Amino acid sequence: AQSVTQPDIHITVSEGASLELRCNYSYGATPYLFWYVQSPGQGLQLLLKYFSGDTLVQGIKGFEAEFKRSQSSFNLRKPSVHWSDAAEYFCAVRYNNNDMRFGAGTRLTVKP
Amino acid sequence: EPEVTQTPSHQVTQMGQEVILRCVPISNHLYFYWYRQILGQKVEFLVSFYNNEISEKSEIFDDQFSVERPDGSNFTLKIRSTKLEDSAMYFCASTGTGGAYNSPLHFGNGTRLTVT
Repeated sequence: AQSVTQPDIHITVSEGASLELRCNYSYGATPYLFWYVQSPGQGLQLLLKYFSGDTLVQGIKGFEAEFKRSQSSFNLRKPSVHWSDAAEYFCAVRYNNNDMRFGAGTRLTVKP
Repeated sequence: EPEVTQTPSHQVTQMGQEVILRCVPISNHLYFYWYRQILGQKVEFLVSFYNNEISEKSEIFDDQFSVERPDGSNFTLKIRSTKLEDSAMYFCASTGTGGAYNSPLHFGNGTRLTVT
């Protein structure tokens, strides 16, 4: 079955520290992969996407993600977290059908 | 930058009442979606819509739900007889020309539906 897993429900990091949010997918072929961010009371904003080619993709707000086929992963990273990065982060995949499936989300708390 | 807009931002209704959630997708987009997010839970796919008909729907999208594009700009989600468990944030989304699988969805800010 097609699925998206975000193993970490909640992560706390200190401001200025590095960040990695995990995402694993389950699918026979390479899906199309996305990371979205949701600030409290807001909609979903696209951070970055991966379709093919270079497995390291750059996004907005200094985020990047790396697609690793061997691990079925698409982890989101940021070298230095800012307090404004505190939000809910969703990994999403779009397969060869119409809809996009989301992981359960990882809530990021940033300590001063 | 064009945006997906949703109205109202918050709707309160009584159980058993009908509600209509409204969305204006980005103007040149062709594929439209509704998702919902129950408080504290994941974002769940409800339905996709293309060429004036439903393309896909999830098991959540039962007979009490319907969608419509009444006038070429609005995209509505109707819940015929609301239940307490329909309380959630409902997100509208649209995607661009061609609806290719690698097209990201653009989301509105959501409508929070509270059923009392």
